[in-house]
Amino acid sequence: GENVEQHPSTLSVQEGDSAVIKCTYSDSASNYFPWYKQELGKGPQLIIDIRSNVGEKKDQRIAVTLNKTAKHFSLHITETQPEDSAVYFCAASSYNTDKLIFGTGTRLQVFP
Amino acid sequence: DSGVTQTPKHLITATGQRVTLRCSPRSGDLSVYWYQQSLDQGLQFLIQYYNGEERAKGNILERFSAQQFPDLHSELNLSSLELGDSALYFCASSVASEGKGTQYFGPGTRLLVL
Repeated sequence: GENVEQHPSTLSVQEGDSAVIKCTYSDSASNYFPWYKQELGKGPQLIIDIRSNVGEKKDQRIAVTLNKTAKHFSLHITETQPEDSAVYFCAASSYNTDKLIFGTGTRLQVFP
Repeated sequence: DSGVTQTPKHLITATGQRVTLRCSPRSGDLSVYWYQQSLDQGLQFLIQYYNGEERAKGNILERFSAQQFPDLHSELNLSSLELGDSALYFCASSVASEGKGTQYFGPGTRLLVL
């Protein structure tokens, strides 16, 4: 069935360093890949998304890359700040459904 | 603030009881989605409504049901509650359906079944 694997489950970095979170999806019909940030006690907040007709998308310190052949997509955060500390979820959905299949989450801690 | 509102924020109830969770989508959004977040299952899609009609179903238990009203707000009904139903329940909304809309999540309802 549909599955999204996410690694690592926890990630600790020093402020100013880069952080990379990787996801792999199983459904070859998947064509939409959003990333959400969830802070304690809050709902998931969309931070960036990419569709399958694009290989890379950047928004200030955040970028997402997609390799459709390998069914991989990754989130890159540069110049990390303590306020980037949160749980990050990748997700995937296919063109004919809005059902988001989520990864298991990555807890990112940025130390000052 | 995503513009999606959910009530109540917290709910404590007993096994066997029935509860209703409410969601108001962002202004202009026609699709409403319900997700369950638990420690062991992660974030799981339950059900989607688009403009009042059920559009997609996930791993939603038969004890759970939902509906979307003419004003586009949605309710998720959970009945015969079990301890394992304790979780965070999120509502999300998007402007469209079939892969054309970005989903924005509400703050969630934390359900505790004792």
